[in-house]
Amino acid sequence: AQSVAQPEDQVNVAEGNPLTVKCTYSVSGNPYLFWYVQYPNRGLQFLLKYITGDNLVKGSYGFEAEFNKSQTSFHLKKPSALVSDSALYFCAVSARGLYNQGGKLIFGQGTELSVKP
Amino acid sequence: KAGVTQTPRYLIKTRGQQVTLSCSPISGHRSVSWYQQTPGQGLQFLFEYFSETQRNKGNFPGRFSGRQFSNSRSEMNVSTLELGDSALYLCASSLELGTSSTRGTGELFFGEGSRLTVL
Repeated sequence: AQSVAQPEDQVNVAEGNPLTVKCTYSVSGNPYLFWYVQYPNRGLQFLLKYITGDNLVKGSYGFEAEFNKSQTSFHLKKPSALVSDSALYFCAVSARGLYNQGGKLIFGQGTELSVKP
Repeated sequence: KAGVTQTPRYLIKTRGQQVTLSCSPISGHRSVSWYQQTPGQGLQFLFEYFSETQRNKGNFPGRFSGRQFSNSRSEMNVSTLELGDSALYLCASSLELGTSSTRGTGELFFGEGSRLTVL
C-alpha cells in the first residue's frame, strides 16, 4: 500500500535561514511525488513534482526538492525563508503504472511551516 | 485559463439533510477528483471521475456519491449528513496520464474548496 509520512507537525524557521520540510514515502514501483502548499481557508497550490530525471527538482516560489530513492525521501527545501512562506505543506505520492492513477494522490498529514521575522 | 471552480464556498446544514457540491474543472481537463480535508484525518481521497465514469474510489460510506457530466463538470453528494461530515471538500482536476499523446504530468489543480458545517 502507498503511504507518505511527514515526520514533523511543525517547522519553525527564522526569516532568511534555509528551511527543510521532510517527507518519506512508500510505494510499489516508481513514484510520482508532489509538494503542495495550503494557505488558510484556501485550496492546495502545486509547488513541484518529481516524475523522472534529475533528483533535484525546482519549483515555484524558490522551492526545490531532492528525490532520494535509497532513502525513499523527497524533502522540500528553500535556501532563504520568507515570512510569506508560512503555510501548511503537503507531500503526496501517486503510483506510476500503465493505468492512470493520476487523480488519486496519497497525502502526508501536512507540516505547518512558521517563518518568523 | 480559468482555474478549478467550486460552489458553494461555504454552507451550513443540519444532521440528516443532504448536500450537493459542484466543481468545474480547468478547460481541457477530463479527470476530476474529490478530497475531504479535516483536522483529524487530513486529506482523504473520496473518488475520481474520468469521462463520466468513476475510476477510483476511496474508503468512504455509500452516503458519499458523485457524478461527472459530459462537459467534465462534477458534483458530489452527501446524504443523511452526520456531524463528522463537517469538512473542507476539495475538488481537483488533472490531465490524463495515459498514452503519450495525451500524457499530462500528474499534478492536480485544486479549487478553493467548499466548507461544509453540519450542525
